[in-house]
Amino acid sequence: EVQLLESGGGLVQPGGSLRLSCAASGFTFSSFAMSWVRQAPGKGLEWVSGISGSGGSTYYADSVKGRFTISRDNSKNTLHLHMNNLRAEDTAVYYCASNWNFQHWGQGTLVTVSS
Amino acid sequence: DVVMTQSPLSLPVTLGQPASISCRSSQSLVHSDGNAYLNWFQQRPGQSPRRLIYMVSNRDSGVPDRFSGSGSGTDFTLKISRVEAEDVGVYYCMHGTQLTFGGGTKVEIK
Repeated sequence: EVQLLESGGGLVQPGGSLRLSCAASGFTFSSFAMSWVRQAPGKGLEWVSGISGSGGSTYYADSVKGRFTISRDNSKNTLHLHMNNLRAEDTAVYYCASNWNFQHWGQGTLVTVSS
Repeated sequence: DVVMTQSPLSLPVTLGQPASISCRSSQSLVHSDGNAYLNWFQQRPGQSPRRLIYMVSNRDSGVPDRFSGSGSGTDFTLKISRVEAEDVGVYYCMHGTQLTFGGGTKVEIK
């Protein structure tokens, strides 16, 4: 059974940094691209960033380009999202999702950016 | 940038009756490989999203056959043949190559 478990969310001040993690199990992690998708309170879904299975290719939404960095550790079956210079509008539940068509989702981790 | 437009925004349905959600893309979803990458997701209240349909009309494992997807080019539809109480939630379409979601359609019971 595929499982994705996010962690690392919390309250951070504007301009601060946070690192999210997603622990994967139940599939050959290194064979699949992974993405982060977020959902602001009461709003819809927004793709944030994606990474190829090898980690050699990364992609970002314009809204986070230059501030967020996606990475993965295939030896530990873990996906990361490093978030810098956080803004109030980054407040959201962040989900990790498998492959480019989001077949599987985690339960999400809440990031709140507020002073 | 591609825009995915869903309608209606809200869909009150009587239990046992059909429901239909429309999704229109500002750009064709037909990839150079000939496939159309249009996905549908369900998000029940308080839960993570769940993929229901991929590549326009393929149901994911465990998805009841009362859900069906259809369409081509830029116009797509998700149909629920007979709505059940567990179908309450928000439904999103997604352009599978541009990774852009529609705004969502909230299905509720009348």
